[in-house]
Amino acid sequence: DSGVTQTPKHLITATGQRVTLRCSPRSGDLSVYWYQQSLDQGLQFLIQYYNGEERAKGNILERFSAQQFPDLHSELNLSSLELGDSALYFCASSSGGQTYQPQHFGDGTRLSIL
Amino acid sequence: GDSVTQMEGPVTLSEEAFLTINCTYTATGYPSLFWYVQYPGEGLQLLLKATKADDKGSNKGFEATYRKETTSFHLEKGSVQVSDSAVYFCALSDQNTGNQFYFGTGTSLTVIP
Repeated sequence: DSGVTQTPKHLITATGQRVTLRCSPRSGDLSVYWYQQSLDQGLQFLIQYYNGEERAKGNILERFSAQQFPDLHSELNLSSLELGDSALYFCASSSGGQTYQPQHFGDGTRLSIL
Repeated sequence: GDSVTQMEGPVTLSEEAFLTINCTYTATGYPSLFWYVQYPGEGLQLLLKATKADDKGSNKGFEATYRKETTSFHLEKGSVQVSDSAVYFCALSDQNTGNQFYFGTGTSLTVIP
């Protein structure tokens, strides 16, 4: 058990819809990272937050947004969903803001777009 | 830009065989290098890391050495077990590219008894 909790585990929705994925980091960790894992693109870094502030941005689409709240949990919002957004979305956390620090991954949210 | 190139899989080995999974990288600065492992149905777990040239990361019998001259970070284990069956990801982080994190495509390993 990594200590990182992601909800929901599975999500099925239709094209054009909007969903919110939630992540609770390990106790004491200040950084949260979001990743998308799909068969054709592999594991792609989306975005990192550190103590409520955006720290690094990767291949995150404009239709996607994220935030980290004062209690350090984070949400990833995906809107105007397309079939290609079907993927496994992982959240990870680390104690500090530097990416050389180990990241602890949740079990992921599997998003299926019909 | 930065990238990680990993050996294509899948890899199938017999128990107690020697394992090598190749990983090379491209980076603008001096990245930190990682190997992560993903067991079926689970998230990724950090296996080992190295933060500077010539560092050797090791854990659970796995080793990898940060080779700046060959820009490589190959994963090795002398004697694999069935329980090592998983997908292995090489990754780098580079402060020169704004703390982004780059993963290889993953190498699936199956160890048969």
